[in-house]
Amino acid sequence: KAGVTQTPRYLIKTRGQQVTLSCSPISGHRSVSWYQQTPGQGLQFLFEYFSETQRNKGNFPGRFSGRQFSNSRSEMNVSTLELGDSALYLCASTKDRGADSPLHFGNGTRLTVT
Amino acid sequence: AQTVTQSQPEMSVQEAETVTLSCTYDTSESDYYLFWYKQPPSRQMILVIRQEAYKQQNATENRFSVNFQKAAKSFSLKISDSQLGDAAMYFCASLNFGNEKLTFGTGTRLTIIP
Repeated sequence: KAGVTQTPRYLIKTRGQQVTLSCSPISGHRSVSWYQQTPGQGLQFLFEYFSETQRNKGNFPGRFSGRQFSNSRSEMNVSTLELGDSALYLCASTKDRGADSPLHFGNGTRLTVT
Repeated sequence: AQTVTQSQPEMSVQEAETVTLSCTYDTSESDYYLFWYKQPPSRQMILVIRQEAYKQQNATENRFSVNFQKAAKSFSLKISDSQLGDAAMYFCASLNFGNEKLTFGTGTRLTIIP
């Protein structure tokens, strides 16, 4: 069974640009969550989608948005990029909501903003 | 709000020896879950072990076991017979029942000395 796939693995963008990251969950998984990992702030929750609906949102500005498609694939978008958005963005999927369904993480997308 | 604290930024252990990683947490919820995740250089977060707060028995997964002290809000990870492949960042995390958001600690970098 294929794991969680995140594309691209690396991205370099310039301040002010926008970026879209993609996450394909494990087949049959319906919940997708996104996390930002930085040396300074550690791992922080961005948002969670289930059945194409955002169910939970972290403490990030409106420049960070996401969506989930009917096949459970998810995209995350960051507009008007700032230097501080440089981070590893991790996606995780679960079969259903609830901690009985453990999170499976992808390898992440490393975003560098210059 | 949940908080998770890992007070050991770095730890090292001789191969085949035992090491314990510390974690404390704070939550006002009665139903919650605790996790240890491992992040090797490949960047993928891998679930090591999980503990349901309502279970008194400490979770065990092969060489990995936890010491869960609910009253003290302590959740340490013991790795027995350490192997070179155990070298990684280890993150302690908590999740409230019904909430899909993981709260992570700052991590402990574990080095295995051959």
